[in-house]
Amino acid sequence: DAKTTQPPSMDCAEGRAANLPCNHSTISGNEYVYWYRQIHSQGPQYIIHGLKNNETNEMASLIITEDRKSSTLILPHATLRDTAVYYCIVFRAGGTSYGKLTFGQGTILTVHP
Amino acid sequence: GAVVSQHPSWVICKSGTSVKIECRSLDFQATTMFWYRQFPKQSLMLMATSNEGSKATYEQGVEKDKFLINHASLTLSTLTVTSAHPEDSSFYICSAPRTGMETQYFGPGTRLLVL
Repeated sequence: DAKTTQPPSMDCAEGRAANLPCNHSTISGNEYVYWYRQIHSQGPQYIIHGLKNNETNEMASLIITEDRKSSTLILPHATLRDTAVYYCIVFRAGGTSYGKLTFGQGTILTVHP
Repeated sequence: GAVVSQHPSWVICKSGTSVKIECRSLDFQATTMFWYRQFPKQSLMLMATSNEGSKATYEQGVEKDKFLINHASLTLSTLTVTSAHPEDSSFYICSAPRTGMETQYFGPGTRLLVL
């Protein structure tokens, strides 16, 4: 699976949009971009995933560039409860490695009042 | 709500004892589950893949005789840390991919402290 690069930390004011970038320049055509987050002392929580189209769900939006080499996770109205480590993972769904997620260091997002 | 549970949520044991951690998928069947380990201020590291009906497969550097995995049913996998030592103290997390939904759900984690 392709490697990802994320900034180690970001800050965001409560109520504002949080935009978390991720670079995955070696992504291949059949690899998805997944985002998970881990709130302190909890298991990771699935947020969203996409292949090449932008995606939106009740938690966030995922914007993938046309060349698929980078993406941005958008939390439209960040709250204090969104403070967590956010992981961007590139993953090929299906196949023998199905489910074997490789976690990088992620981005520590701190939402402040 | 939670779709993968773990038990216990935390455990303290003496060095040399064995500890069993359970991972259950609550409303779906999982022929495969995964076990991760996370040390303080570090990211999750995959330890092994638990396969229902066959032996678990371990990542490089993980001792299979120390970390016994049993996938007893389509909704239950157990990880037993045998002869635990203080260096085994960590946060253990399981996950299960939900077939057809392309998503993977994680348990809440089990914090192990070996004294």
